[in-house]
Amino acid sequence: DTGVSQNPRHKITKRGQNVTFRCDPISEHNRLYWYRQTLGQGPEFLTYFQNEAQLEKSRLLSDRFSAERPKGSFSTLEIQRTEQGDSAMYLCASSPQTGFGVETQYFGPGTRLLVL
Amino acid sequence: GEDVEQSLFLSVREGDSSVINCTYTDSSSTYLYWYKQEPGAGLQLLTYIFSNMDMKQDQRLTVLLNKKDKHLSLRIADTQTGDSAIYFCAEGRGNTPLVFGKGTRLSVIA
Repeated sequence: DTGVSQNPRHKITKRGQNVTFRCDPISEHNRLYWYRQTLGQGPEFLTYFQNEAQLEKSRLLSDRFSAERPKGSFSTLEIQRTEQGDSAMYLCASSPQTGFGVETQYFGPGTRLLVL
Repeated sequence: GEDVEQSLFLSVREGDSSVINCTYTDSSSTYLYWYKQEPGAGLQLLTYIFSNMDMKQDQRLTVLLNKKDKHLSLRIADTQTGDSAIYFCAEGRGNTPLVFGKGTRLSVIA
């Protein structure tokens, strides 16, 4: 399968614990995006990378959130001291950098987080 | 700020056409997208349209764009039960984060 993959698919944790999610983009896609989707809502942008550089962070990304893409391939999203309000589906998307026109974002299956 | 609005629910009979509507506010948006999400799954790109186009057809899907009114629609011809899902409209500038609507839940009645 050459699509975007995310691990784990589901995570249940207790409030206050740290969690880390991984995203493997489509091979050779330069851009990688993280979104969060809560129940009944559309995805909301969190942050994105071009290769290993983190280009933009949303105001939704509190200090407890950190994302990395150390070698410009896979990315991790860590949430420290989780809160119940962090319960959501975390979606990763990747796109090629064409330098012109549309750079279509392809989404992974998501990681569903439940904070108890 | 940027905002995308969609009606929340649509119910159609199998074989009929479905029309899902969307309005957006960002006049600088250059691409408008339609994604489909099935229960518990990620988002599947259905189609997109460049802002200087007013129509795009792809098999059973027809996208209409009224840039003046900032209105986008997705028409699904001959709707099937497998089309039951949530459909998201999104706006972007080609290489920027997308802004999504809340999604329209399409229910297809056999």
